[in-house]
Amino acid sequence: SQTIHQWPATLVQPVGSPLSLECTVEGTSNPNLYWYRQAAGRGLQLLFYSVGIGQISSEVPQNLSASRPQDRQFILSSKKLLLSDSGFYLCAWSPDTTNSPLHFGNGTRLTVT
Amino acid sequence: GQSLEQPSEVTAVEGAIVQINCTYQTSGFYGLSWYQQHDGGAPTFLSYNALDGLEETGRFSSFLSRSDSYGYLLLQELQMKDSASYFCAVRIPTGRRALTFGSGTRLQVQP
Repeated sequence: SQTIHQWPATLVQPVGSPLSLECTVEGTSNPNLYWYRQAAGRGLQLLFYSVGIGQISSEVPQNLSASRPQDRQFILSSKKLLLSDSGFYLCAWSPDTTNSPLHFGNGTRLTVT
Repeated sequence: GQSLEQPSEVTAVEGAIVQINCTYQTSGFYGLSWYQQHDGGAPTFLSYNALDGLEETGRFSSFLSRSDSYGYLLLQELQMKDSASYFCAVRIPTGRRALTFGSGTRLQVQP
């Protein structure tokens, strides 16, 4: 069966520090991968999605970036965090078919201080 | 672009039936999905409607009317564990495979 791992679960970082969140998927190949962010009590905002290695599409201009160095690995990064980067970051995957649901990781709660 | 509207909060009592509505505006349409998210947890998939009508999965049902750009999630025999946020979402057939989510409806089930 397929599983998705996302770490760390919680993170407290000072303003201006770098960020690296990692997500890996097991049990499938060539998945579509996604990064979403959720502010407290709000909906999910799509940040990045990827349909293959090295293929990244950005939905929202910001100081975050994403990379997909391997088929089942998706990394979210920032060189300098802002206070507004605080939130709940969720990685998700789906099979490469149109109507497949998204399967989310357990998320990373990031607090920028 | 696309937008989805759903109520921010709904309150109901245990054993009751509750309906969570979702209206959407999109330039294209590939179906309406529903996800459940408990506090602090990850969203989990509940249902998907590609065609008009009702889809039933146990205590949960989802309805879609494409002509009205409208759908709803129906929860029957409410249980305390159903207290969560519920999100409707659409996928737009423009090459991107991701979902656009509504802002969510927080359901509070009271004893």
